[in-house]
Amino acid sequence: EAQVTQNPRYLITVTGKKLTVTCSQNMNHEYMSWYRQDPGLGLRQIYYSMNVEVTDKGDVPEGYKVSRKEKRNFPLILESPSPNQTSLYFCASSTSPGQGAQNEKLFFGSGTQLSVL
Amino acid sequence: GESVGLHLPTLSVQEGDNSIINCAYSNSASDYFIWYKQESGKGPQFIIDIRSNMDKRQGQRVTVLLNKTVKHLSLQIAATQPGDSAVYFCAEDSSGYSTLTFGKGTMLLVSP
Repeated sequence: EAQVTQNPRYLITVTGKKLTVTCSQNMNHEYMSWYRQDPGLGLRQIYYSMNVEVTDKGDVPEGYKVSRKEKRNFPLILESPSPNQTSLYFCASSTSPGQGAQNEKLFFGSGTQLSVL
Repeated sequence: GESVGLHLPTLSVQEGDNSIINCAYSNSASDYFIWYKQESGKGPQFIIDIRSNMDKRQGQRVTVLLNKTVKHLSLQIAATQPGDSAVYFCAEDSSGYSTLTFGKGTMLLVSP
């Protein structure tokens, strides 16, 4: 089954304790992205990756890191989490359109609810 | 329509009614629009998309209408069912995935 898998689904941590949220897709998609979802603010993009070893900042990258060493995996790293990073996080993937090509739909994971105390 | 407030706008309908969810987008250069459905506890799920060279596109029980003159997008759901209850997001893209901008969402509640 084609899917985007995030782990964990729920995570409670304390300020300053490094954590990683994993994301894996089995659709051979080039493009992967992380979003956070907050009440009243909708989905905001944190980082995205157009392909292996190619990553770039989205709208709200501060306090986050990502890596794309393999095509299927795109982990989100919080080196020193703070309470304002308490949020619902989504990973998404899609095929890459290339320069000037049409866009393709994003497939989303089920989400990771993170609470930073 | 969609709101910047903390509370999502809500549309309540009876089962079997037709539903219309509206979205105002901001960027006149946007050339691709998408509707997503998000059920409680799940990630957003693609419903239907439309490109700016079209005014209307139909899927199974859903129709998206695009009015570029007033920068307005709507999602019509025919014969709404309780399983359609969810939050619906529109998204616009002006230059590729990296600039996909999501609306705040509208909650659809369907009563049996």
